[in-house]
Amino acid sequence: DIVMTQSPLSLPVTPGEPASISCRSSQSLLYSNGRNYLHWYLQKPGQSPQLLIYLGSNRASGVPDRFSGSGSGTDFTLKISRVEADDVGLYYCMQALQIPLTFGGGTKVEIK
Amino acid sequence: DVQLVESGGGLVQPGGSLRLSCAASGFTFSAYWMHWVRQAPGKGLVWVSGINSDGRSIFYADSVKGRIIISRDNAKNTLFLQMNSLRAEDMAMYYCARSEYSNSGFDLWGQGTLVTVSS
Repeated sequence: DIVMTQSPLSLPVTPGEPASISCRSSQSLLYSNGRNYLHWYLQKPGQSPQLLIYLGSNRASGVPDRFSGSGSGTDFTLKISRVEADDVGLYYCMQALQIPLTFGGGTKVEIK
Repeated sequence: DVQLVESGGGLVQPGGSLRLSCAASGFTFSAYWMHWVRQAPGKGLVWVSGINSDGRSIFYADSVKGRIIISRDNAKNTLFLQMNSLRAEDMAMYYCARSEYSNSGFDLWGQGTLVTVSS
């Protein structure tokens, strides 16, 4: 199975400041078609997860442009350019290259 | 509205069975892969099972293989998860989610249904 490792586990942030979450995979997620099969989700408190970024760097429908995804192969990053109070919650990366699909352990973003 | 609504969760004794349902509406259900993802209390997300659009390709996590059966009824726009020989470690919120392909992001999630395994 592909192991997904996120850091940090917890990320206190100040509104208006940037934030960054790292996700590393035990195997490359770059397929021969040039796509990285890595997706990012946000689970707000008390809610179901929602798709933020797909294929490493593409924002899902309705996702604000302050969210961006980057990286390739085994190292990926989710960045929030200016954190807002509504961005608190658990952020997960997930690899979709290989069955079983596997998630990172999650990063809890909270307001300082 | 485009939505997924799970049902069927509840309290079950160890070794018991439960059948979860996920009713889809507002989109062409038969065009999508569907998945079950679970989340134990205070823990992270774990993919459980996935099924392709016509039900012919099915995959399971090793932790549930042999005890869980995923299926779908495209005529009724419904996804199912038959859970047998339930264990304490199966206790979790179970979400259904859709994806365009097996390796696409899950772009629509249900609200979840809670499975409690306890004597």
